[in-house]
Amino acid sequence: DIQMTQSPSSLSASVRDRVTITCRASQDIGTYLNWYQHKPGKAPKLLIFAASTSHSGVPSRFSGSGSGTDFTLTISSLQPEDFATYYCQQTFSSLWTFGQGTKVEIK
Amino acid sequence: EVRLVESGGGLVQPGGSLRLSCEASGFTVTNTYMSWVRQAPGGGLEWLSVIHSDGTTFNADSVKGRFSISRDNANNTLYLQMNSLRGDDTAVYYCARMSHIRGADSWGQGTLVTVSS
Repeated sequence: DIQMTQSPSSLSASVRDRVTITCRASQDIGTYLNWYQHKPGKAPKLLIFAASTSHSGVPSRFSGSGSGTDFTLTISSLQPEDFATYYCQQTFSSLWTFGQGTKVEIK
Repeated sequence: EVRLVESGGGLVQPGGSLRLSCEASGFTVTNTYMSWVRQAPGGGLEWLSVIHSDGTTFNADSVKGRFSISRDNANNTLYLQMNSLRGDDTAVYYCARMSHIRGADSWGQGTLVTVSS
């Protein structure tokens, strides 16, 4: 199975900070990489698919990049509603996997 | 409007079985990929199963041989049959419209499964 490793596992940041989360795949997955935002008690929300394509309605401050094994999610200016846990997911292989998550907390 | 509504969660004893349902509206489940994902208490998201538009299914190693994904064309509903349940299967279970190209763009609200004696 393909393992997905996110870093950091958690971070503290302030409103208007630039935040970067990385995701590394255990093998080449091309651009079959998605990013989600998850808040407690809510369903996850798709932010980015195919590594860099923004899902409809997602604010432009969210962007994704990368290919192969290394990927990045960037929040250009953190807003109060962005405090949540973020997950990457690969859909390259037959068995899909999520990263362990990155919790973004208020500093 | 695309909508997914899960049902069937609850308390079950270890070794027992449960079937979760996910009723879809606004699209046809047979025309796309559908998946089940869970989140254990204090844990992260875990992908469990997918059914492709052609009916092909795949399951994560953690549930292979115990869980089975299926769909009902007439009722436009996705199912997850869960057998031989264990304590570590306790989680909120989500269904999602999830393709390998576009990710999961629609999710249900989640249904809680608790495995305990």
